[in-house]
Amino acid sequence: SAVISQKPSRDICQRGTSLTIQCQVDSQVTMMFWYRQQPGQSLTLIATANQGSEATYESGFVIDKFPISRPNLTFSTLTVSNMSPEDSSIYLCSVSGTVTRLTDTQYFGPGTRLTVL
Amino acid sequence: GENVEQHPSTLSVQEGDSAVIKCTYSDSASNYFPWYKQELGKRPQLIIDIRSNVGEKKDQRIAVTLNKTAKHFSLHITETQPEDSAVYFCAASNSGYSTLTFGKGTMLLVSP
Repeated sequence: SAVISQKPSRDICQRGTSLTIQCQVDSQVTMMFWYRQQPGQSLTLIATANQGSEATYESGFVIDKFPISRPNLTFSTLTVSNMSPEDSSIYLCSVSGTVTRLTDTQYFGPGTRLTVL
Repeated sequence: GENVEQHPSTLSVQEGDSAVIKCTYSDSASNYFPWYKQELGKRPQLIIDIRSNVGEKKDQRIAVTLNKTAKHFSLHITETQPEDSAVYFCAASNSGYSTLTFGKGTMLLVSP
């Protein structure tokens, strides 16, 4: 499977600021996703990052709060904007599929642990 | 949209016992069902998955069964070991959309 990295691995931020999280894959992938995992909770899909077009957001998540970019098949960013303590979570990217093999099996990056004070 | 229910929320077993975690899903169009293991502070790791054209799949000590009619699927771990201790998540997907809906997770504790 692909090697997935995320930056930063963790950060502590002040409320009202924004943080951009990067997800890098070592091979071209078809699909990239962003999830949130609040402390002790399950994974909730924020959006599907679409290459060359606007991300597809799940109910309860909006582009103004979580802008997403995907400039190519190996890289995506998620920005958490105007942060509040309620945004403290682990943010994970996941990927599925390659240019030669379509699959819905998802593999996760190591996550970014965000604490908002 | 899809809704996935997972039970139990916590499960404690003795080393060597079997463990069973059950999930139900609501969308009859779902056709892909992965299971992830997440150790503390780590990323979710895919341990096994099953597609709707198969009723059972086994990989060493781990097996998954699927009942499409009842819309439920289960994870079976035999001969449990302390290193099996983790949170396990089930998920469901309609391949046409590629997105996964996760259950709330089961914390499995295997005592030596």
